[in-house]
Amino acid sequence: DSGVTQTPKHLITATGQRVTLRCSPRSGDLSVYWYQQSLDQGLQFLIQYYNGEERAKGNILERFSAQQFPDLHSELNLSSLELGDSALYFCASSVEGGGYGYTFGSGTRLTVV
Amino acid sequence: GEDVEQSLFLSVREGDSSVINCTYTDSSSTYLYWYKQEPGAGLQLLTYIFSNMDMKQDQRLTVLLNKKDKHLSLRIADTQTGDSAIYFCAEVGGMDSSYKLIFGSGTRLLVRP
Repeated sequence: DSGVTQTPKHLITATGQRVTLRCSPRSGDLSVYWYQQSLDQGLQFLIQYYNGEERAKGNILERFSAQQFPDLHSELNLSSLELGDSALYFCASSVEGGGYGYTFGSGTRLTVV
Repeated sequence: GEDVEQSLFLSVREGDSSVINCTYTDSSSTYLYWYKQEPGAGLQLLTYIFSNMDMKQDQRLTVLLNKKDKHLSLRIADTQTGDSAIYFCAEVGGMDSSYKLIFGSGTRLLVRP
């Protein structure tokens, strides 16, 4: 157990639907990062939150959004799903500045059919 | 810009050494990382090196850093079949103060018995 918890582990849904992925960071970590891993795109940075505030945005589609709650857990919302959104979605957490302290969750595998 | 490049595939015989190479572009990166991903699993931090170091050794793993050429390598001594996995090099992209990790495309290591 890495200390970062992601739920659900697997999700199968239809095109056009909306899903929410959840991440609980390691105790004490204030930063949460979301990554998408697809076969042809590798690991792409989506978005980062630090202590409830959005800090950086990467290649995140407008159909996707995220937030970090006061208890520091984060949710990634994916809407109007398309087949190409099928991927592994990882959450990572870290202390301020990262350093050696990035910890990844085991990921949520999303399959859009 | 921020970019990390790796070769896609490496095949070695069990007992041999493996060397996985990586080049990065962000000269301001303070930490560089190697992650391992086994099939169907999340990302496991293998080792990291601070940018003011040239080398770091951790049991069977040796990391070499050439800052001038922005080149990072991971050597695995006495490679075992259990080392078969995808290995990702990552740098900290901190230009926007997010400290997000920027990943290479991953090198698939196959260890032949």
